[in-house]
Amino acid sequence: EAQVTQNPRYLITVTGKKLTVTCSQNMNHEYMSWYRQDPGLGLRQIYYSMNVEVTDKGDVPEGYKVSRKEKRNFPLILESPSPNQTSLYFCASSSTGRSYEQYFGPGTRLTVT
Amino acid sequence: AQSVAQPEDQVNVAEGNPLTVKCTYSVSGNPYLFWYVQYPNRGLQFLLKYITGDNLVKGSYGFEAEFNKSQTSFHLKKPSALVSDSALYFCAVRDYGQNFVFGPGTRLSVLP
Repeated sequence: EAQVTQNPRYLITVTGKKLTVTCSQNMNHEYMSWYRQDPGLGLRQIYYSMNVEVTDKGDVPEGYKVSRKEKRNFPLILESPSPNQTSLYFCASSSTGRSYEQYFGPGTRLTVT
Repeated sequence: AQSVAQPEDQVNVAEGNPLTVKCTYSVSGNPYLFWYVQYPNRGLQFLLKYITGDNLVKGSYGFEAEFNKSQTSFHLKKPSALVSDSALYFCAVRDYGQNFVFGPGTRLSVLP
């Protein structure tokens, strides 16, 4: 089954404790992206990657890091989480080309206290 | 910079009636436009897209959208709403680059 998986689905942590949210896709997609969803703000793009070793900032990259060492994986790293990073996070992937129709993971709800 | 507006936070419609969820955008160059739907506790699902060609685009679950370049709009429509259409709907735009911008979302409630 074609899918995007994220782990963990739920995470409660404390300020300053480094964490990683994993994202993996099995569709051989070149393009992968991370978003955060906050009430009233919709989805905002954090980082995206056009292919292995190619990443770029989205609209809200501050406080986040990503890496793309393998085509299927695109982890999101919070080196020193803060309460304002409490949010619902989505990973997405798509093939490149004209359409960029994205497939989304189920989401990771992060709470930073 | 590109932007997307969804002027209605909430749209209520009776089952069987037509529905419209509005979206306007601002982007440099030719827009790639998308609609996604989010059901409770789920990720987003693709509904339809406009890249080029006919201004009326048909998508999943009987939804369609009309691209209007002069009004910079991409409204989502369905001729006959179902209770199961109740969800959160997002309009999104991609410009010539690889950056996607989503609107704030519109909650659709279809009343039986």
